Formats: sequence, C-alpha cells, structure tokens
Amino acid sequence: QLHLQESGPGLVKPSEPLSLTCSVSGGSISTSSYYWGWIRQSPGEGLEWIGTVYNTGSTFYNPSFRGRVTISVDTSKNQFSLGLNYVSAADTARYYCVSMLVTYHFDNWGQGMLVTVSS
Amino acid sequence: QSALTQPASVSGSPGQSITLSCTGTSDDVGPYNLVSWYRQLPGKAPQVIIFEVSKRPSGISPRFSGSKSANTASLTISGLQAEDEAHYFCCSYAGDSVVFGGGTKLTVL
Repeated sequence: QLHLQESGPGLVKPSEPLSLTCSVSGGSISTSSYYWGWIRQSPGEGLEWIGTVYNTGSTFYNPSFRGRVTISVDTSKNQFSLGLNYVSAADTARYYCVSMLVTYHFDNWGQGMLVTVSS
Repeated sequence: QSALTQPASVSGSPGQSITLSCTGTSDDVGPYNLVSWYRQLPGKAPQVIIFEVSKRPSGISPRFSGSKSANTASLTISGLQAEDEAHYFCCSYAGDSVVFGGGTKLTVL
C-alpha cells in the first residue's frame, strides 16, 4: 500500500509561486503501474483535478491551469512536485497528491495540505 | 471543460436503497467506461469506492454498485447505513483531461 505525504508552505502571497512536494513511500515512483497527480479542494467545495505526470515524464494538465502549472518527478528522492505560478485568493485550497492507475482513477491519496493565498 | 453534474444533496432512511446520479456529456462520461466514484468523510481525504463504472476496489462493501447509461453514471447504495453519510463525488476521463462532479451530500435520516 502506497503512502503519500504532501509538504510545502501553508501560506503564499498573491502573485507568488506555490510549490508543493509529495513524498511517496511503500513503492517506487518509477513504477509503470502508477501515474502521479494533484487534486485540490477549495473550502467547502468540490474536487478539481490539476494535472498528472506519467512515469515517462509526460504530463497532462487541466486546461484551466495550463500555462501556470508544472508537475514533475524526482526519481532520486521518490517524490513528485507541483508548481503553480501567479496565485491568487482563488487558489486557496487543500491540495492532495494522488496516485492514478491506467484506468484513470485515484487509488491513493495524501492527507492533503491546506494552502492559503494571502498577503 | 465543465464539471459533471451531481445533485447537491440526497437523503434516505436506514435500510433503503438510494441512487446518486452523475451527468456528463458526449466528451466525458459518454464515450469512456472510465467513471469512478469517491466517498469523502468530514475532514478526510476522498476514497475510491467504484472505478471503471462498476468495479469495486478490494475492501469496499458490495452494497455499493455503479452503472452507466449514455452520458449519465449512477452510484447505488443498498441497505443504507448511518456510516454511509458522507459526500460522494463522481469523476470521468475526458480525453486529455479528467473531470469531477460537484459532489452530493448524502444524509441518512
């Protein structure tokens, strides 16, 4: 069973970049069995898929974020990361890192990290 | 890319069967059998309970079942129990993206 854990700053100023890391344990991030991604949930709201990185390094992103989002993998640390530029208050949310199977469902979730965008 | 449509809330009594709907389009739910459902308890991360429309992960009760017709997916919970009270989200592959529904709050009366 994989265990995922998010880390990063919980407070980001408007217009600055948001950067989160997900540490994976219980398995190798290089496995071909999983893809890796990020999902967020604004307070009291639904879930929003941000993007996914394949084990090949290829990425695909929610069009709503295209242009300001980057997801990458660091195999040496068994981690993957999320970068989101030019944040605003609308980006305040709990950010979950997830593993995704080839059938496009998310079977392991981190506990989530609340990120607040405020000056 | 629009979110899938779910009713905001539904309720049922213990022992009843209840069905939650998830309406998409011919760009997401319709052409792909890649619909999944997630249950989220307060303060917890979501947990997958159905994938590929109707498959259950190991450990998920057979009281949960999924189906799809055209652009609408459904989650049926039979023998409703108090512990089923939670938010339920549907999700679908949509070509080069993934889309979620807004979620349904299930209340067990």
